[in-house]
Amino acid sequence: DTAVSQTPKYLVTQMGNDKSIKCEQNLGHDTMYWYKQDSKKFLKIMFSYNNKELIINETVPNRFSPKSPDKAHLNLHINSLELGDSAVYFCASSQKTLSNEKLFFGSGTQLSVL
Amino acid sequence: QKEVEQNSGPLSVPEGAIASLNCTYSDRGSQSFFWYRQYSGKSPELIMSIYSNGDKEDGRFTAQLNKASQYVSLLIRDSQPSDSATYLCAVLNDYKLSFGAGTTVTVRA
Repeated sequence: DTAVSQTPKYLVTQMGNDKSIKCEQNLGHDTMYWYKQDSKKFLKIMFSYNNKELIINETVPNRFSPKSPDKAHLNLHINSLELGDSAVYFCASSQKTLSNEKLFFGSGTQLSVL
Repeated sequence: QKEVEQNSGPLSVPEGAIASLNCTYSDRGSQSFFWYRQYSGKSPELIMSIYSNGDKEDGRFTAQLNKASQYVSLLIRDSQPSDSATYLCAVLNDYKLSFGAGTTVTVRA
């Protein structure tokens, strides 16, 4: 069984559209994250939720809205997609609010905005 | 200044050699330090963590931490073609894990 699974793996869409990426973890972890990796491989945190509560909200356009219906799920909705949103989006989880804990990453969603 | 900076790659080493990767960080209050490996088209995976000054060895990998110099390094001994990947340095501060841009290593057979 995949520990952290996210769908879809690839997402190709037009500018201005709204899209969602889903993430689920079956590890029983308390904390989940969304990271964005640009074309230069720079991996940057966007959001973090601990037990459904938002704990990290980096400087991200408010077109990006995370939603955590329960601690096993963290979805990312993006409104009015722009060319600059093209990147790989990784979901991740850790057992507790990040201390010395290992991050488990999903396989990534390659978003291409045309 | 970026929070986490890594030496620019790509780094090409012959098989069997030592690959040396460097990382510096800006926040003196940083608590924990990690090295992640990312194969092309895959997700990052943790290979080393280090929390106190000095060396930590795990198989062919050695992480070194010097908090006074705000410096973390990773040595890969007896490099193998399977070590060809991008290595990401990550630094933890106040519940936030910040990553460097990564160093791509190519091991030549």
